[in-house]
Amino acid sequence: DAGVTQSPTHLIKTRGQQVTLRCSPKSGHDTVSWYQQALGQGPQFIFQYYEEEERQRGNFPDRFSGHQFPNYSSELNVNALLLGDSALYLCASSLGRQGLRYEQYFGPGTRLTVT
Amino acid sequence: GDSVTQMEGPVTLSEEAFLTINCTYTATGYPSLFWYVQYPGEGLQLLLKATKADDKGSNKGFEATYRKETTSFHLEKGSVQVSDSAVYFCALAGSARQLTFGSGTQLTVLP
Repeated sequence: DAGVTQSPTHLIKTRGQQVTLRCSPKSGHDTVSWYQQALGQGPQFIFQYYEEEERQRGNFPDRFSGHQFPNYSSELNVNALLLGDSALYLCASSLGRQGLRYEQYFGPGTRLTVT
Repeated sequence: GDSVTQMEGPVTLSEEAFLTINCTYTATGYPSLFWYVQYPGEGLQLLLKATKADDKGSNKGFEATYRKETTSFHLEKGSVQVSDSAVYFCALAGSARQLTFGSGTQLTVLP
């Protein structure tokens, strides 16, 4: 049973560029959440997708956008990259119907470096 | 809003020592509480969870009890091993459909 997978593993971009990160959820999961983890910090919630719609959003600017596909996989897009966007981006999957007691499974993350 | 306050690190222990990592939270309602562990270069792994007051989560020798009266969820292990060296995150799932994390505690266990 494959767990949560993310691609690419590492990425280097220049300020002002755009980036797309990808995530495939754990088999059987229908909900995908994205988190940003700056060095030495805890993950910060970006947004969550369920049934191909953004269901919840954290305190991140509109430069951060996403998409969920019919097969439940998801993309995170970041436009107009800033140096401060350098971080580990984590994808987590879960079952939407479990509500507040859900258990999220995390992928290994994509390390984004903005120069 | 929801928040998690975690014991600051780093924490350095000798093998077989007793471990406690403190975690307190602020949330409305009745959140679920979690401990996640992150090994170097990896994503987060769920270590244990508790979904209601007085529940005790346990896994791999680690334990934590959901204390609503003190809004705490402290992580404990009776005898740590070198392989337990990692960063530990306390987290809650509250009224919003998201996890709120603490800042993490780096644990190093020396042989």
